[in-house]
Amino acid sequence: AQKVTQAQTEISVVEKEDVTLDCVYETRDTTYYLFWYKQPPSGELVFLIRRNSFDEQNEISGRYSWNFQKSTSSFNFTITASQVVDSAVYFCALRNTDKLIFGTGTRLQVFP
Amino acid sequence: GAGVSQSPSNKVTEKGKDVELRCDPISGHTALYWYRQSLGQGLEFLIYFQGNSAPDKSGLPSDRFSAERTGGSVSTLTIQRTQQEDSAVYLCASSFRRGADTQYFGPGTRLTVL
Repeated sequence: AQKVTQAQTEISVVEKEDVTLDCVYETRDTTYYLFWYKQPPSGELVFLIRRNSFDEQNEISGRYSWNFQKSTSSFNFTITASQVVDSAVYFCALRNTDKLIFGTGTRLQVFP
Repeated sequence: GAGVSQSPSNKVTEKGKDVELRCDPISGHTALYWYRQSLGQGLEFLIYFQGNSAPDKSGLPSDRFSAERTGGSVSTLTIQRTQQEDSAVYLCASSFRRGADTQYFGPGTRLTVL
């Protein structure tokens, strides 16, 4: 079965704190793709990153970084020095054939 | 360039009425997807189109739901005899090709069935 679990329903931090959003996935496929999307209050899903199963290198983009570990089936997302503008719901997703299977999302609230 | 666009942004309808939701994908994208986001079910896949191939309708919740894609571009999702449980945000996405390519999402249509 294909499944994505985001155990953290909601996280609250104060600006400038670092925060990690967890994502655990299940798949029997040997080749697969993982994604993170951000959904700000406006509602539109914004693409953040795509990672394929053959590339386990961690990725950093500005204040964002991703830690992909096949051994634990995890694809965690860290925001360094969080800002109020980071407040949103973040979704982790797994590609299953041609569609995305989403986790239930983690709502991040960053307070000034 | 322009992103995925959807119309209307909001739709309020009465139970039993039919509704049509429209999606304009990113120019040049051959794959188009519909998803639904509701409080109880989260984000769930509905249907996907790839070029002129037969669509994957495996996510449609009932035969009241249908979709078409004309000329490989614009898509319309139709819900017949709407029910209150159809209330949700309907999201459209497109990708350059099928499969691994990144799906880019539109702003969604919020459907409220009274």
